[in-house]
Amino acid sequence: EPEVTQTPSHQVTQMGQEVILRCVPISNHLYFYWYRQILGQKVEFLVSFYNNEISEKSEIFDDQFSVERPDGSNFTLKIRSTKLEDSAMYFCASSRTGFGYTFGSGTRLTVV
Amino acid sequence: GIQVEQSPPDLILQEGANSTLRCNFSDSVNNLQWFHQNPWGQLINLFYIPSGTKQNGRLSATTVATERYSLLYISSSQTTDSGVYFCAGPNAGGTSYGKLTFGQGTILTVHP
Repeated sequence: EPEVTQTPSHQVTQMGQEVILRCVPISNHLYFYWYRQILGQKVEFLVSFYNNEISEKSEIFDDQFSVERPDGSNFTLKIRSTKLEDSAMYFCASSRTGFGYTFGSGTRLTVV
Repeated sequence: GIQVEQSPPDLILQEGANSTLRCNFSDSVNNLQWFHQNPWGQLINLFYIPSGTKQNGRLSATTVATERYSLLYISSSQTTDSGVYFCAGPNAGGTSYGKLTFGQGTILTVHP
């Protein structure tokens, strides 16, 4: 069964540093998403991406966040200057139709 | 936005027991999914079930869209079923291709 692949599985970074989380969505999918889950809390929507542009973003997705699909296969989430409160599990997801999503296994980001 | 309520919040079972998890939505849904988050934090797709009933092995799910709820049945539970079960649906009106709103989850613990 096709999978959404996320790398790395765990990243530790210093506060203030930039991080890039990487995702390879399922190849024939057209809609791409990032969600995050702070430890012990609900999974929260960050951003959706379709047709090479952001289609929707949440209030969490402020100017320190950006997304890119640089080469037609990868989908990245960049956090420019990490804060302690950015520590969370970040999930990438993709969908062929916009209904029914496949999630990756997540990247656990720890900001110290 | 849409409100998603899951019950019960916690559930403890002996191996072999059956259980039913419930998900209520504040608005109509057309894109409902059930997920299992395992102890390593991975989010595993269980069902995409906007309406009707689906079965996959010991798990089955039913969504009654007109009454705004969905049920997840786990039969003959095993210790590997332990984890957090989330349901998720789209924004109110179901017109947004991406912004899944997650419930707070049901924490299931299955003892041997």
